[in-house]
Amino acid sequence: GIQVEQSPPDLILQEGANSTLRCNFSDSVNNLQWFHQNPWGQLINLFYIPSGTKQNGRLSATTVATERYSLLYISSSQTTDSGVYFCATLNTGFQKLVFGTGTRLLVSP
Amino acid sequence: DAGVIQSPRHEVTEMGQEVTLRCKPISGHDYLFWYRQTMMRGLELLIYFNNNVPIDDSGMPEDRFSAKMPNASFSTLKIQPSEPRDSAVYFCASSLNGDEQFFGPGTRLTVL
Repeated sequence: GIQVEQSPPDLILQEGANSTLRCNFSDSVNNLQWFHQNPWGQLINLFYIPSGTKQNGRLSATTVATERYSLLYISSSQTTDSGVYFCATLNTGFQKLVFGTGTRLLVSP
Repeated sequence: DAGVIQSPRHEVTEMGQEVTLRCKPISGHDYLFWYRQTMMRGLELLIYFNNNVPIDDSGMPEDRFSAKMPNASFSTLKIQPSEPRDSAVYFCASSLNGDEQFFGPGTRLTVL
């Protein structure tokens, strides 16, 4: 099955800093989602982005499917951005989401 | 529109007891998924339904686990008998067409 790797595994930022999170996948995909799991454990949908670029406020994401990666940009980070960021994609031919191991982000004031 | 609703949010039970987790998907969504999250294994799919029919239950760990979807707005995941290793956060998710999935708040299960 498809493998999903995320980097970095951990990230510590000062409030106001920018960051880039990366998601690599082992095969071509036509489905890619980014989630934020907040400190209370809730999984929040950030982007559904099988290809191209999308922006939502301080967050944006780019997926280059042909090169098998996706990037999540966080600008002007805030303490509420803390948590774990997951990317996930569907196994080819299946509806099963395969999650990366996540990037744990801590934004300090 | 309300998101995916799960109940209870927290459940503490003793080993051997039956546990039932409940999920209401987003109205109009044809797909429903049950996931489990643990520190050791991360997020893993247990089972999913399409139009109330179970399609893939290969992730269900044992016969102690069962899931039903009697109608388009309700699903249950049952564990009988429960064991301490079943302690995890159980998420329900739904999807309109099988692509983008939306997750509920999860049920944190502790089996003593």
